[in-house]
Amino acid sequence: SYVLTQPPSVSVAPGQSARITCGGNNIGSESVHWYQQKPGQAPVLVVYDDSDRPSGIPERFSGSNSGNTATLTISRVEAGDEADYYCHVWHISSDHRVFGGGTKLTVL
Amino acid sequence: EVQLLESGGGKLQPGESLRLSCAASGFTISNYAMSWVRQAPGKGLEWVSTIRRSDGATDYADSVKGRFTISRDISKNTLYLQMNSLRADDTAVYYCARDVSLDYWGQGTLVTVSS
Repeated sequence: SYVLTQPPSVSVAPGQSARITCGGNNIGSESVHWYQQKPGQAPVLVVYDDSDRPSGIPERFSGSNSGNTATLTISRVEAGDEADYYCHVWHISSDHRVFGGGTKLTVL
Repeated sequence: EVQLLESGGGKLQPGESLRLSCAASGFTISNYAMSWVRQAPGKGLEWVSTIRRSDGATDYADSVKGRFTISRDISKNTLYLQMNSLRADDTAVYYCARDVSLDYWGQGTLVTVSS
């Protein structure tokens, strides 16, 4: 089965950039989506199709995907960005959707 | 405004059955792939099942295949998840979500399986 690997935690100071990676075999050939989840809330889509942003999501959120790694970058991090972040792929060859294990972003 | 509202969660014993519902508004579910995703307490997200937009074909995670059935009632604009032979490790908040990118999510419904 297809596996997506995320670092369990990332810490960053306010105003700096946070980069959260999602590793998978040849993930660059898949469409990757990213979600933000705050405690007690449902996930919210922040980036879709590798690098597109839904309406209402700040430009500070961006994504890239190449080779074996997809990356979510949050620029000028704010305290309100503290949350769990998950990557997700619909792995076409297996017809299965897969989530990464999630990354807890801590704003110092 | 797009809204998804799950219902039907509860506390059950191992081996019992339960049907979850997800009432959609603001769009027509037959125009989108629809999925169920669950989250065990303190754990990450786990995809459960998807029903495709075009032909209504269904896909399941290996952990629920043969026990869970996803379906939709277009006249009621509602998505369902029939869960049979429930186990303790099915305990989770169950979310329904829209489209390939899971662009909209419901608030979730809690299913607890315990003896």
